[in-house]
Amino acid sequence: RKEVEQDPGPFNVPEGATVAFNCTYSNSASQSFFWYRQDCRKEPKLLMSVYSSGNEDGRFTAQLNRASQYISLLIRDSKLSDSATYLCVVNGRYSTLTFGKGTMLLVSP
Amino acid sequence: GAVVSQHPSRVICKSGTSVKIECRSLDFQATTMFWYRQFPKKSLMLMATSNEGSKATYEQGVEKDKFLINHASLTLSTLTVTSAHPEDSSFYICSATPSSGRSGDEQFFGPGTRLTVL
Repeated sequence: RKEVEQDPGPFNVPEGATVAFNCTYSNSASQSFFWYRQDCRKEPKLLMSVYSSGNEDGRFTAQLNRASQYISLLIRDSKLSDSATYLCVVNGRYSTLTFGKGTMLLVSP
Repeated sequence: GAVVSQHPSRVICKSGTSVKIECRSLDFQATTMFWYRQFPKKSLMLMATSNEGSKATYEQGVEKDKFLINHASLTLSTLTVTSAHPEDSSFYICSATPSSGRSGDEQFFGPGTRLTVL
């Protein structure tokens, strides 16, 4: 099983749609979870951390299910500017981060 | 916010030459910096963890003699790709964790260096 697994997509959605991404991780000892966003040929940027109780930041909601080792990201009211690759990231040993391959989102007018 | 810079942003070189990439934390001190590599349509892969004042920790499969890392100060780490070959062409990204930050949190990424070896 891969350390962090995501559906690569692409997810093609119209503006205003709600879209959800899922991610599974293999290391049950992981303590920190994040969603990063990466635009084409750019560095990743932190979108939000994921907390056990679930958390929301504007149109973005992240949830964590430790029992199933599963993380999700929900984007409501999609904007054109949301088009990017969304990376599920889990902490590894010694402060390192393990990245999933990413899920590509394409929002069309 | 925390800013990390990389230089150069893009480099094209001939096979067999060595290329040095700099990673700087501009407004914070970073005891630990990380070097990643990303091939097209692939995930970021951690190459090594760079610790100020000590030897870097390399991930399995990454040749330490080929990818030389120096972390001489709390704001600068360098990655030197020695005797670069076309298969080393990739997007190299560094990140840094503020020395005052909690373990595992808040890695700030540099803008990346796109290396093309002819």
